[in-house]
Parts: sequence; structure tokens; C-alpha cells
Amino acid sequence: DTGVSQDPRHKITKRGQNVTFRCDPISEHNRLYWYRQTLGQGPEFLTYFQNEAQLEKSRLLSDRFSAERPKGSFSTLEIQRTEQGDSAMYLCASSRLKGARYNEQFFGPGTRLTVL
Amino acid sequence: DQQVKQNSPSLSVQEGRISILNCDYTNSMFDYFLWYKKYPAEGPTFLISISSIKDKNEDGRFTVFLNKSAKHLSLHIVPSQPGDSAVYFCAASANNYGQNFVFGPGTRLSVLP
Repeated sequence: DTGVSQDPRHKITKRGQNVTFRCDPISEHNRLYWYRQTLGQGPEFLTYFQNEAQLEKSRLLSDRFSAERPKGSFSTLEIQRTEQGDSAMYLCASSRLKGARYNEQFFGPGTRLTVL
Repeated sequence: DQQVKQNSPSLSVQEGRISILNCDYTNSMFDYFLWYKKYPAEGPTFLISISSIKDKNEDGRFTVFLNKSAKHLSLHIVPSQPGDSAVYFCAASANNYGQNFVFGPGTRLSVLP
């Protein structure tokens, strides 16, 4: 399967702990995105990378959140000192340039985080 | 302030009939729109897209219509099938916003056999 993969699929943690999620994009895709989705809402943009460069961060990404894509392939999203409000589905997506646009994002299955 | 709105949280349609899902946006800079479908425990999957230079795009049973003056788009599914039951998200992007997508809150479609 050459789709976007995410690990773990589920994570339960206690408030105040740190968690790290991993995303492996489709291999030829140079853009990688992180989204957060809460119940009844659509995916909310957090940040994206073009190759290894982090080009944009949403205001949703507080200083407790950090994302990396060190070699322009897989990416990690770390949340430090988790809070109950961080409980959500964290989605990763990747895309490549088609013509002049990054038109379609391919999503992974997501990591569901529950903070107790 | 939601830039992409899907005002119907849910929709039920009989199998074989037409499903019409609506989406409204507020940002006139948006110039590319997509529909994604999401099943439980899976990530969203791309369904169909439309550029602002068009007003209609068709792919099999799925047709997306864009009304730029009204800042409105709709997805038509004809005929609807039980396997179409899912949450449908409308998403929009603007070329000068890094082409990142803003998603609506979704509409849950139930196709009844």
C-alpha cells in the first residue's frame, strides 16, 4: 500500500504528558500537511511542509506543538504538556505539484488522541 | 469566522434518488474547490474538484456546480447508492494563500435502501 500512513492510530495519555505522532506521506509527494479534526467539524489546518521546510503554521499551533520533517520524507508532530482540549483526530495529508497547483491532498487514516 | 460553511449537518435520501449537498464560502479569493468523502475510522478521500474558471465538473455519478457570484457550490450524486453514506466535506483554496485548503464542517449523508 503506497498511501499516507500514520502511527499510532490511537493514543491515550494523561494530562501533562508529551506525545509524538508520525506521518509517512506518499513517496513522491513533496508537500505534507497536518490537520486537527474535532467532533462535528472539518479538518482544521495546523501546518505544512514543502520538502523539509515548514512554510506555514496556523494560530491553532500553540508553542506546545512542534512539527518536523527533517529529511523531507516522514514528519513528526509533538505535543508537549498535553491538555484535555488537545483531544482530537490528528490527520496528515500529502500532495504534489500538478501543473501549477497542489490540487489534491491525500489523507492518512489519522491518529486519535485522547487526553485524560 | 467560518470561511466555508455547510449549513446542513445531515441529509437522508432514498436509494436511486438525487443527493444534493450544499456549500457556501465567504472569501472571494478562493479559486479552487474540492469535495472529500469520509467514512468512519478513515481519513477523507478526494471525490471531485472544480476550478473557478468553470461552473460545472462531472465525474460519473458526481457533479459539482459552482456559482461564483453567489459564492455557492453544490455536489449532486445521481443515482444515490447506500455506499455513498458518509460525511462529505467541502474545501476551498486560494492561489495566494499557499494553496492550503479550508474545510467546511461536513454534511452526513445517509442513503436509505
